[in-house]
Amino acid sequence: GAVVSQHPSRVICKSGTSVKIECRSLDFQATTMFWYRQFPKQSLMLMATSNEGSKATYEQGVEKDKFLINHASLTLSTLTVTSAHPEDSSFYICSARASGGDTQYFGPGTRLTVL
Amino acid sequence: SQQGEEDPQALSIQEGENATMNCSYKTSINNLQWYRQNSGRGLVHLILIRSNEREKHSGRLRVTLDTSKKSSSLLITASRAADTASYFCATAHASGGSYIPTFGRGTSLIVHP
Repeated sequence: GAVVSQHPSRVICKSGTSVKIECRSLDFQATTMFWYRQFPKQSLMLMATSNEGSKATYEQGVEKDKFLINHASLTLSTLTVTSAHPEDSSFYICSARASGGDTQYFGPGTRLTVL
Repeated sequence: SQQGEEDPQALSIQEGENATMNCSYKTSINNLQWYRQNSGRGLVHLILIRSNEREKHSGRLRVTLDTSKKSSSLLITASRAADTASYFCATAHASGGSYIPTFGRGTSLIVHP
């Protein structure tokens, strides 16, 4: 149980385009989902906390108009990187936490490459 | 923001040996979790230890927590080549009623066959 999926697993896009990444909890309902960004050989940097039915809470330094987060249902959160630039290339990982639970379950990550 | 810091940053051992990784943090926590990440993959949850617990076991894994020293350790016994991965600790602290997890830099473990 407690499986989180991400789609796509890998995406290459041109500079200036927008990319949407989906995060789904497959066998549990997640009131809270988290979006992280990870550079090579670095730690995970929390970008934002996504709560179902409300606006996401962004960490300091993360542009909310650049990284649009939508958590429309208890099993789906999306991250849209708008007007992507090469410096947005990174590994994006989501995680989900069940209602009343402490454990975070992570998706497999999405490798974004912006040309 | 609060962040766990793992030590050492890199660890190289032979198969069969034990591997110990440490994590230190700065402020009060609700719980601490250890994760494993293989290169270019997502994170796999290993163990969660709550602030009122001192030790937990799961198979070959043993985690301790010392809240007075604000530190935790992860011990992998009888290591295998397949244990090669990066290991992260994540501390959860309360923010606005929710528990926000933050990660340390990780320990890169290499187990030589």
